[in-house]
Amino acid sequence: EDQVTQSPEALRLQEGESSSLNCSYTVSGLRGLFWYRQDPGKGPEFLFTLYSAGEEKEKERLKATLTKKESFLHITAPKPEDSATYLCAVQAIGDYKLSFGAGTTVTVRA
Amino acid sequence: GAGVSQSPSNKVTEKGKDVELRCDPISGHTALYWYRQRLGQGLEFLIYFQGNSAPDKSGLPSDRFSAERTGESVSTLTIQRTQQEDSAVYLCASSVTGGNSPLHFGNGTRLTVT
Repeated sequence: EDQVTQSPEALRLQEGESSSLNCSYTVSGLRGLFWYRQDPGKGPEFLFTLYSAGEEKEKERLKATLTKKESFLHITAPKPEDSATYLCAVQAIGDYKLSFGAGTTVTVRA
Repeated sequence: GAGVSQSPSNKVTEKGKDVELRCDPISGHTALYWYRQRLGQGLEFLIYFQGNSAPDKSGLPSDRFSAERTGESVSTLTIQRTQQEDSAVYLCASSVTGGNSPLHFGNGTRLTVT
């Protein structure tokens, strides 16, 4: 069974204080690893898909990286509008569903 | 273009009643998913549709839960004889093909069973 563990559960940052979120996963064969952002009362919003170890993707202040066992979401010089819950999910080869972690709630103070 | 639309946005029902939740996916998306999110928890997979067929129903928690999709478009999730543990946000998502194309989520239906 696919497993996704995210850490920390919560992260409080000062504006401009860079940090990283961790997503550890176990999957029989990785088809894709997905990062989503979820704001309160909203559905998850797609950020990135990573397919193979060594791959990196960037969007504004966010950068996602992937190894064979984990993924990191780096937030560089965060702003208050980066406050959200960040979800990691994996999809196994031959499967169609995504298995999600419990998320990391990031709060950025001005 | 329009995103995934879910209705109602909120539903309060009494224990033992049946409820229907609706999802309108993005036009042209062949894959449709239902997930459940309990307070403070991650997303729990319920069912996956490819077209009007459901090749993976493995996440449905009990036979009180059922879902259908018609016209390769609208989907309805039905919960019969609701229980308090059914209280959660029910999220619908669609994707272009159901392969590794990203899922696009609606804002969910918040179900409260009293």
